Amino acid sequence: GDSVTQMEGPVTLSEEAFLTINCTYTATGYPSLFWYVQYPGEGLQLLLKATKADDKGSNKGFEATYRKETTSFHLEKGSVQVSDSAVYFCALDRDDKIIFGKGTRLHILP
Amino acid sequence: NAGVTQTPKFQVLKTGQSMTLQCAQDMNHEYMSWYRQDPGMGLRLIHYSVGAGITDQGEVPNGYNVSRSTTEDFPLRLLSAAPSQTSVYFCASSLQGPRNTGELFFGEGSRLTVL
Repeated sequence: GDSVTQMEGPVTLSEEAFLTINCTYTATGYPSLFWYVQYPGEGLQLLLKATKADDKGSNKGFEATYRKETTSFHLEKGSVQVSDSAVYFCALDRDDKIIFGKGTRLHILP
Repeated sequence: NAGVTQTPKFQVLKTGQSMTLQCAQDMNHEYMSWYRQDPGMGLRLIHYSVGAGITDQGEVPNGYNVSRSTTEDFPLRLLSAAPSQTSVYFCASSLQGPRNTGELFFGEGSRLTVL
C-alpha cells in the first residue's frame, strides 16, 4: 500500500544551521505531498504542500520539491531558529485519506 | 475562533470501561477524521467521514466506533477499553476532504491512559 518514509530522529542542530529532513514515498498514481508540523502540546498544522511533479511548496522559510523520479519530498530550510523545534511529518493523500510518516523530531540549540 | 474542539483533554480509564471522545468543529467542514499518535508509529487513521451519515474505516479501526449524525460532531467511542488503546487521539477536519484540499485542521488532542 501507499506509504511515507522519513529519516529517523531526533535531529539536533545549532541555530542558523541548514536543515534537511528526508522523505520518500511509495504510491500508485500521483498523490499530493505535504509537510505538517507539530509544536509541543499542540495538534498538527500544515506547513507546505505540492500537488504535482516538480512543484515546490514553501512557507516560513521552509521548502520542499516534489521529485517524481526519486519519489522524494525533502524538507529544507536555510537557517533554522530555536522556534523551529518541533516534530515534522511528511504525508501524502490517497483517496479520502492522508497517510503520515512516523515524524522527525527537530531540536534547535541556541 | 474555536476551530476543532476535542474533549476531554485527559482521561484515565480502567480496562473494560467505555467512553466517548468528543470532537466538534465550527468551520462547516464536510470531512472529519480520527487519528491516534503513538511513539515511533506516527499518526494512524482510525475512522473518517466524508459527510453527515457517512463513515468509513481507516488503518486501525478495531476497538473503536464512530457515527456522524451532524456535520459539526464526530464522536469516537471505545466500547471496552484495553491498555493497547493508551495513546494521544487527534480529531481533524477538512472542508471537502484530503483529495480536494489536502489541508487537515487538527484539534489539540486527547490523552487517554488505560490501566
